[in-house]
Amino acid sequence: AQSVTQPDIHITVSEGASLELRCNYSYGATPYLFWYVQSPGQGLQLLLKYFSGDTLVQGIKGFEAEFKRSQSSFNLRKPSVHWSDAAEYFCAVAPGSARQLTFGSGTQLTVLP
Amino acid sequence: NAGVTQTPKFQVLKTGQSMTLQCAQDMNHEYMSWYRQDPGMGLRLIHYSVGAGITDQGEVPNGYNVSRSTTEDFPLRLLSAAPSQTSVYFCASSVNHQMGNTEAFFGQGTRLTVV
Repeated sequence: AQSVTQPDIHITVSEGASLELRCNYSYGATPYLFWYVQSPGQGLQLLLKYFSGDTLVQGIKGFEAEFKRSQSSFNLRKPSVHWSDAAEYFCAVAPGSARQLTFGSGTQLTVLP
Repeated sequence: NAGVTQTPKFQVLKTGQSMTLQCAQDMNHEYMSWYRQDPGMGLRLIHYSVGAGITDQGEVPNGYNVSRSTTEDFPLRLLSAAPSQTSVYFCASSVNHQMGNTEAFFGQGTRLTVV
């Protein structure tokens, strides 16, 4: 069975600073990988996804993620964080398409003015 | 664009009561699923359906029932609510492709408290 680890429960960054959220997965083959963002009291919004091809994936809101097979990682990055990026971020893995997603425990992002 | 609609948004139940959480999608997606979200545990899959008349269990199915009589609707039933079922519940839908780019669309969630 697949699993996802997000080692950072809570990250605090200053507005304008760069951001990297870590995600490691365990799966026998190359999975489909996703990053979702959840604002307080809201549902989940897809930031980006990786299925195959270029290992650097661009998403919405200026986010990108890089798939590294050798490290079983799919870290999320943003060069300059905005106050509106404060939210909880979830990494997820699926064996195929978007079915039966397995989520990490989430990383709460706080942005300081 | 309604997308995935969940009702109610909030609900308080007494232990032992039953209720149904509603989920409807208007995107003609074959695949629908229910997750629960608990602090520090991310989202865990309860039940899913790959099409009308077909359902299966996810990671945490105990205490929940589902049915899929139409493509649009996928209700989640709590048979006898327990405090351990206090959680935020999310419904999601996606295209049932074996390959290709698909994504799951999530509803806004139902916050359930069992007292």
